[in-house]
Amino acid sequence: GQNIDQPTEMTATEGAIVQINCTYQTSGFNGLFWYQQHAGEAPTFLSYNVLDGLEEKGRFSSFLSRSKGYSYLLLKELQMKDSASYLCAVLDSNYQLIWGAGTKLIIKP
Amino acid sequence: DTAVSQTPKYLVTQMGNDKSIKCEQNLGHDTMYWYKQDSKKFLKIMFSYNNKELIINETVPNRFSPKSPDKAHLNLHINSLELGDSAVYFCASSQKSGETPPQHFGDGTRLSIL
Repeated sequence: GQNIDQPTEMTATEGAIVQINCTYQTSGFNGLFWYQQHAGEAPTFLSYNVLDGLEEKGRFSSFLSRSKGYSYLLLKELQMKDSASYLCAVLDSNYQLIWGAGTKLIIKP
Repeated sequence: DTAVSQTPKYLVTQMGNDKSIKCEQNLGHDTMYWYKQDSKKFLKIMFSYNNKELIINETVPNRFSPKSPDKAHLNLHINSLELGDSAVYFCASSQKSGETPPQHFGDGTRLSIL
């Protein structure tokens, strides 16, 4: 079966750095997405990786290792508004998005 | 302007009723989707439409039926609502199916069955 694993919840301090991991087992791979979802709101697109390596976009970076079935989202200089759920999703060989359950990130002052 | 809009935002109804949720996108995208997000926060795809053709139909009950009058609209009709249908339903769109653009989501419809 297809599976995406990410931690259920993480806590970090304002101004710090946090890394949210995602491991996947899917039938084929056509890219990995990270989304942010604030409570009661829709998911919004953060990043997309299809090749190995690090993609940096401002305070957020996303890393992919296809051989390990592994990705992480790195958030720097954490702000209170970064408190949200972060969803990892993989596009499989049928171009269907397979979603993880999300990691709830709690930022403390 | 809202890119993907769905109505209503909240829907509270009784078991056994029939209800519809509407979705419209003004992005000119070719593909629209319906997702269900349950209490455990998993997003599960229900349907997608590409140029009015159903291209994904997951194993959802046939009480759920998508209706697409045109490329910009994908409505979800639900017959004989059950308690387990309580969830948040998200509409989404993407420029092309089979490629890898990010999907744009509506704000969700929170369906509660009494």
